[in-house]
Amino acid sequence: EVQLVESGGGLVQPGGSLRLSCAVSAISVSNNYMTWVRQAPGKGLEWISVIYRGGGTYYADSVKGRFTISRDNSKNTVYLQMNNLRVEDTSVYYCASWGAWGQGTLVTVSS
Amino acid sequence: EIVLTQSPATLSLSPGERATLACRASQSVSSSLAWYQQKPGQAPRLLIYDASNRATGIPARFSGSGSGTDFTLTISSLEPEDFAVYYCQQRSSLFTFGPGTKVDIK
Repeated sequence: EVQLVESGGGLVQPGGSLRLSCAVSAISVSNNYMTWVRQAPGKGLEWISVIYRGGGTYYADSVKGRFTISRDNSKNTVYLQMNNLRVEDTSVYYCASWGAWGQGTLVTVSS
Repeated sequence: EIVLTQSPATLSLSPGERATLACRASQSVSSSLAWYQQKPGQAPRLLIYDASNRATGIPARFSGSGSGTDFTLTISSLEPEDFAVYYCQQRSSLFTFGPGTKVDIK
C-alpha cells in the first residue's frame, strides 16, 4: 500500500520560509510523478506543483518563483521549499501521486 | 491552463436516491480525468481514474463516464457515508481541480 507522510508545517510570519517534506513508501519517487496540492480553510483543492519522473518541475502561477519542488531519491522523499510566504498561502498542504494522498500538513502564515 | 467547472455546486438528495455530478473541461482532456471524494478533516479519496475506472476498494455504486470535455460521476443509490464534497481533476495538461460539488442530505 502506498503511503505518503507530510511534515514540516507550522506557523510562520509573512515573508518567511518553510520546507515541507513528504516521505513516501511502496513506490519510488524517482519513477513516479509527485505533486503538491493545497487547500485553504473552507475552500477547494488547488494543485500547486509537480515533479515528473524525468525531473521536470512545474508550478501554479500562484506560487511560481516562490516555491520549489525537489526530491531525494535516496530518502524516497519529496520536498516543497516555500519562500516569501503570504497570508494567502495559509492552507493544508498535501502530497499526492497516482491517487494516493498523505494526511496533509497545516501551514499558517500570520503575523 | 485547463479550467474545470462542476455542476451543480450543491446537490441535496435523500439516502437511496441517485446522484449525478457533472464536470466540464475548457478543452479536451481525453480520458485523463479523476474523481475524488472528500469528507471534513480528511484527505481526498480517489474514486474514479481515467474517467471510468473505479479505484481499488470503491463500491460499485460509484461509476464514471465521459471523455473529451464532458464527464459524469454517478452514485446509483446514496448511502449515508456518501454525503461529502466531490472534486474532478484533470492530468492531461499539468493538473487542475474543479471547484467541487457538495452532496448534502435533503
